Amino acid sequence: GAGVSQSPSNKVTEKGKDVELRCDPISGHTALYWYRQRLGQGLEFLIYFQGNSAPDKSGLPSDRFSAERTGESVSTLTIQRTQQEDSAVYLCASSLEWGRVHTDTQYFGPGTRLTVL
Amino acid sequence: RKEVEQDPGPFNVPEGATVAFNCTYSNSASQSFFWYRQDCRKEPKLLMSVYSSGNEDGRFTAQLNRASQYISLLIRDSKLSDSATYLCVVNYATNAGKSTFGDGTTLTVKP
Repeated sequence: GAGVSQSPSNKVTEKGKDVELRCDPISGHTALYWYRQRLGQGLEFLIYFQGNSAPDKSGLPSDRFSAERTGESVSTLTIQRTQQEDSAVYLCASSLEWGRVHTDTQYFGPGTRLTVL
Repeated sequence: RKEVEQDPGPFNVPEGATVAFNCTYSNSASQSFFWYRQDCRKEPKLLMSVYSSGNEDGRFTAQLNRASQYISLLIRDSKLSDSATYLCVVNYATNAGKSTFGDGTTLTVKP
């Protein structure tokens, strides 16, 4: 079946502009996750949705970052007034749910490579 | 101390070699354990979930030791295509969706 998809695959923007990144999870997956990965570094957790709710937004790096999910499906990550340090690959993952063994296996999308000039 | 620690590597092995990676975790309430592989500039891909009885998938064997709080991954008969970074991932239910990733161990298999 279809995996997690993300769009755009690449985004080049100018410093100060807003960007919106999209994630379509695997159908039926109630849990959705966003991560950031800078070049040569590990995954940095940003936010998690169970259904349309994000229980904890403290992983978002600054108030320029926001995320929402609608219809227990598509999610968007918005970065306002982008800065050069925002340049990274933004990865989305989904799982059947969170908190139960065997259903919390995460499947990743191909990521959006963001470059801020 | 990091919540999940992996052998830093890199591991450079010849084709056909057997290589083992270890990963230790600090939270005894951890409940789900995984190995992912990540190729350069690609997303992580699930390699194996790790079950308490240990599990095998072809050349790959994963083991979990809850008493000592570590998981391992054994790769037999290494192939060139096994070259990647291997990520250890640990979940515990109360952590509100936040999986804990190790920093990864880089494997290079050489001809």
